[in-house]
Amino acid sequence: EAQVTQNPRYLITVTGKKLTVTCSQNMNHEYMSWYRQDPGLGLRQIYYSMNVEVTDKGDVPEGYKVSRKEKRNFPLILESPSPNQTSLYFCASSLDPGRLYGYTFGSGTRLTVV
Amino acid sequence: QKEVEQNSGPLSVPEGAIASLNCTYSDRVSQSFFWYRQYSGKSPELIMSIYSNGDKEDGRFTAQLNKASQYVSLLIRDSQPSDSATYLCAVSLSGSARQLTFGSGTQLTVLP
Repeated sequence: EAQVTQNPRYLITVTGKKLTVTCSQNMNHEYMSWYRQDPGLGLRQIYYSMNVEVTDKGDVPEGYKVSRKEKRNFPLILESPSPNQTSLYFCASSLDPGRLYGYTFGSGTRLTVV
Repeated sequence: QKEVEQNSGPLSVPEGAIASLNCTYSDRVSQSFFWYRQYSGKSPELIMSIYSNGDKEDGRFTAQLNKASQYVSLLIRDSQPSDSATYLCAVSLSGSARQLTFGSGTQLTVLP
């Protein structure tokens, strides 16, 4: 089944404790992206990647890191999480999101930082 | 001004009616336009994409694009309770054709 897989689905952590949210896609997509979703603010892009070793900042990159060492994986790293990073996170992939393919989203990771 | 704006709703329509959802965008050189449906607690799901001015129909859904007026709309005919969800408009903006920028969504409730 073609899909984007994120793990974990739920995560509660403490301020400052480094964490990684994994994302993997099995559709051989070139493009991958991370979004966060907050009430009233909609989906905001954190980082995106156009290919292996090619990444760029989205609208809200502060406090996040990404890497794209393999085509299928695009982990999101929070080196020192803070409470304002409590949010619902989505990983997404696409053949070409700027054309009519749009993005296919993973199931989401609900992160709480206390 | 937000780049992509939608009425947050909630929008309520009776079962069988036409639901009309609207979205405006600020960048005149936007290229592609998308409508996503998101059920509560679930991830967004692409339901329509449109590139050219005019209407595009897919089953009960019709996307309408007017680049001169910078708006895109989604019509849902014969609305069903299962259409109750949040509908997200997304726009591919110029200068970063590979990114999508989303509106904050319109919550639709179809009343039985």
